[in-house]
Amino acid sequence: QITLKESDFTVVKPTQTLTLTCVVSGFSLTNDGVGVGWVRHSPGQALQWLALIYWDDTKEYNPSLGHRLSIRRDTSRSHVVLTMTNMDQVDTGTYHCAHRRGNVDAFDFWGRGTAVTVSS
Amino acid sequence: EIHLTQSPSTLSASLGDTITLTCRASQNIDTYLAWYQLRPGEAPKFLIYGASILQRGVPSRFAGRGSGTNFSLTINTLQPDDFATYYCQQYENQFWTFGQGTKVDIK
Repeated sequence: QITLKESDFTVVKPTQTLTLTCVVSGFSLTNDGVGVGWVRHSPGQALQWLALIYWDDTKEYNPSLGHRLSIRRDTSRSHVVLTMTNMDQVDTGTYHCAHRRGNVDAFDFWGRGTAVTVSS
Repeated sequence: EIHLTQSPSTLSASLGDTITLTCRASQNIDTYLAWYQLRPGEAPKFLIYGASILQRGVPSRFAGRGSGTNFSLTINTLQPDDFATYYCQQYENQFWTFGQGTKVDIK
C-alpha cells in the first residue's frame, strides 16, 4: 500500500527558507516511472503544483517559482525533501506530497498535507 | 501556462441528485486531464485521468467526459461522501496546472 506523510506543521518568518520532508512507503523512489511531487493549497487559491522528482533523479519545477525551489531525495531513507527560499505570507497554506501515477502526470496517492504558516 | 476554468464555483445539491461540473482549458490539452476530490483534513482523492478513465476503486457513479478544451465530471446519485471540492488538473505539458475548484455542498 502506497502512503506518503509530510513533516509536521511549520511556522517560518518572512525571508526564511522552508524545508519539508515527505516519507514514502509502499514503493521505491528508484522504480521505473516513479515520481514524487509537491502541491500546495493556499487559502482562497487553486491547488498549485510546485515540483516533482522522478525515479532517475530528473527534476521539474513550476516555472513561476522555480528560482525558489529545490527538490531532492534520499533513496536509502525513502524521503523526498522540498526547500523553498525567501518565504512570504502568500506562501502560507497546506503542502502535500503526492505519488505520480506511473506514466501519467497525475497524482494517484497523496499525503494529508502539512500546514505552513509564514508570520513574523 | 495553460489555465483551467471550473464552473460553477459552488454547486448546492441534495442526496440522490445527479450533477455535472465543468472544466475548460485555455488551449487544447487533448485528454490530458485528471479530476480530484478534496475534503477538509483528508488527503486528496484521485478520481479520473485521461479525461474519462476511472481510477481503480472509484465508484462508477463518477464519470468524466471531454477532449480538447471542454471537460465535465458527472456524479450520479449523490452520496454523503460526495459533498466535497473537486479540482481538475491538466498534464498536457510539464507545467501542470489545476482549476480553481468546484465546491459541492448540501442544499
